[in-house]
Order: sequence, then structure tokens, then C-alpha cells
Amino acid sequence: NAGVTQTPKFQVLKTGQSMTLQCAQDMNHNSMYWYRQDPGMGLRLIYYSASEGTTDKGEVPNGYNVSRLNKREFSLRLESAAPSQTSVYFCASRIDRVPNTEAFFGQGTRLTVV
Amino acid sequence: AQSVTQLDSQVPVFEEAPVELRCNYSSSVSVYLFWYVQYPNQGLQLLLKYLSGSTLVESINGFEAEFNKSQTSFHLRKPSVHISDTAEYFCAVSAAGGTSYGKLTFGQGTILTVHP
Repeated sequence: NAGVTQTPKFQVLKTGQSMTLQCAQDMNHNSMYWYRQDPGMGLRLIYYSASEGTTDKGEVPNGYNVSRLNKREFSLRLESAAPSQTSVYFCASRIDRVPNTEAFFGQGTRLTVV
Repeated sequence: AQSVTQLDSQVPVFEEAPVELRCNYSSSVSVYLFWYVQYPNQGLQLLLKYLSGSTLVESINGFEAEFNKSQTSFHLRKPSVHISDTAEYFCAVSAAGGTSYGKLTFGQGTILTVHP
């Protein structure tokens, strides 16, 4: 079982460049999430999609856009990368928004913006 | 709104010693509580969760956590740690109602380092 797959695993961008982080899950989950992880800050929610066709902002959405392409895929786009977006990005999925359900995480994408 | 505070950013211990990782939360609605573990260069994985019933929950690898509603805490404990427990541990809450329904909020993380 692949679970949650993120690509790429590593990326270096120059300031101002754009890129899309890809995420796909094969567990038939309805809800998907994008988090960023920074030292001492834990995981902070960027955007989430409670179900196919819906997306909502999390705590730190500025500078990002998302697309829920279909039930399996949820991408995160940086239109104009900034050094403050250097972070490790995690995609997660849950069967749905029901709050007592477990979240499954991908392996992360380590992004450096120079 | 909900928030999670992990009171220790780093906890060094010796192998076979007991350990406690502290977590306090704040929420205006009922919440479900989780502990996740992140081994080096990996994603997070669920360690244990409190949904209802007995306030003491256990994981398969010897960790336990106790839900204390009056103190709004969910501390994680293990009576005897192993080298392999070295990892970063995250406490998380998920709101059972209100505008944050279903949103999963994480604490800052506690790095547990077990020394031989």
C-alpha cells in the first residue's frame, strides 16, 4: 500500500520561481491537508480540502494556492517563492472530516528557497 | 479556536529510564486528542488517541497517555524507554464541533533523545 505519496522529495528554488508540490493518496479518503513544518513551530495548516471540490484556508495560507484535482490528488502551488517559504511540507489525508479519525502523512517535501 | 502547547521542546533521557512528555490544550468545544511520532526523515504516524471512555490510553509499543479534562492535559508517558524511541513527538487536537470542526491542530513538538 502506497498510502500518501508526495513529489518531489527535495527541491531548491530561487526567489521568485514557481513550483507545484504534488500529493496523491490511494486510500479513498475524502479529506486532504497541506502542512508546513518549521523548527519549534510544529506543523501549521496551510490549506485543506474537506471533500472533493472544496478547499479552505488554514492558519498560514498566504503565498500558496491549492487545487483538489480529483479525490486522489491535492496539489500545493507556490506562485512566487520567498526564502520564508523554506520548510518541510507534509501532505496528509483522513477518511473524512470526522474529528476522531486518524490522519495519514506523506514522507514530506524539503523545500529550500535561496 | 483551539491550541496545543507542548511544554518541553527537548527531553534527553537515558535508556531504560521513565519519561513524560507534557501536552496541554485549549478549546472552546470538545476535542479528540492524539499523539503522533516522527522518526528522522519520515512523515508523522499515529502513536495513540483518546476518543472517549477510559481516560488512560495505551499504544502497542509501551507508551500511554492520560486525558485529564479538568487540567486540559494529555501527557504521554513510558516507564522504560529504548534507543529506538528517539524521535519527535507531536500532540494534536481535533475539534468535535464549532467552526473548527475536524481541523487537526498540532503542538510545537518534543524531541525525545534516548542515550545509551
